[in-house]
Amino acid sequence: GAVVSQHPSWVICKSGTSVKIECRSLDFQATTMFWYRQFPKQSLMLMATSNEGSKATYEQGVEKDKFLINHASLTLSTLTVTSAHPEDSSFYICSASPQDRDTEAFFGQGTRLTVV
Amino acid sequence: SQKIEQNSEALNIQEGKTATLTCNYTNYSPAYLQWYRQDPGRGPVFLLLIRENEKEKRKERLKVTFDTTLKQSLFHITASQPADSATYLCALRRGGGGNKLTFGTGTQLKVEL
Repeated sequence: GAVVSQHPSWVICKSGTSVKIECRSLDFQATTMFWYRQFPKQSLMLMATSNEGSKATYEQGVEKDKFLINHASLTLSTLTVTSAHPEDSSFYICSASPQDRDTEAFFGQGTRLTVV
Repeated sequence: SQKIEQNSEALNIQEGKTATLTCNYTNYSPAYLQWYRQDPGRGPVFLLLIRENEKEKRKERLKVTFDTTLKQSLFHITASQPADSATYLCALRRGGGGNKLTFGTGTQLKVEL
């Protein structure tokens, strides 16, 4: 149990376009999900907390208008990278935890975004 | 803010030996510390959690220690195998609710035949 699925696994987009990444909790409900970004050879950096039914909370230095987060249901959060630029190319990963196992974080497979 | 440091250099060991990875943190001592494994191009996978009142935790070939005085955790893999080759991350839970984590820099482990 406690599976988090992310889609797509990879995406290539043109500079200036927007890309949507989905994060789903398949067998549990998640009122909170987290979005991380990872650059090559670096660790995961928290970008934002996605809250079901309310606004996301962004970490310092993360532009909320650029990284739009929507958590419309208890099993789905989406991250939209708007007007993507090459510097947004990165590995984006989401995580969530069931209420009864909230000391473990369950991660999606990650999405490799390449902006050309 | 919390800062977490791990051996930045890759660790190469021979199959069958014990790998020991270090995680040091600054500032406050967390209620618990977690270790994750990450394979290339994949999301991290949870391995072990150790609480502040626990000195040691074991799971199969894995062992974690936690010294809140030294602000350090050690992660051991005994009888290492090539399949253990991966990047290992330690993580601390941040405040503000939910399992929101600050990750260490990660240590890449390579187990050679």
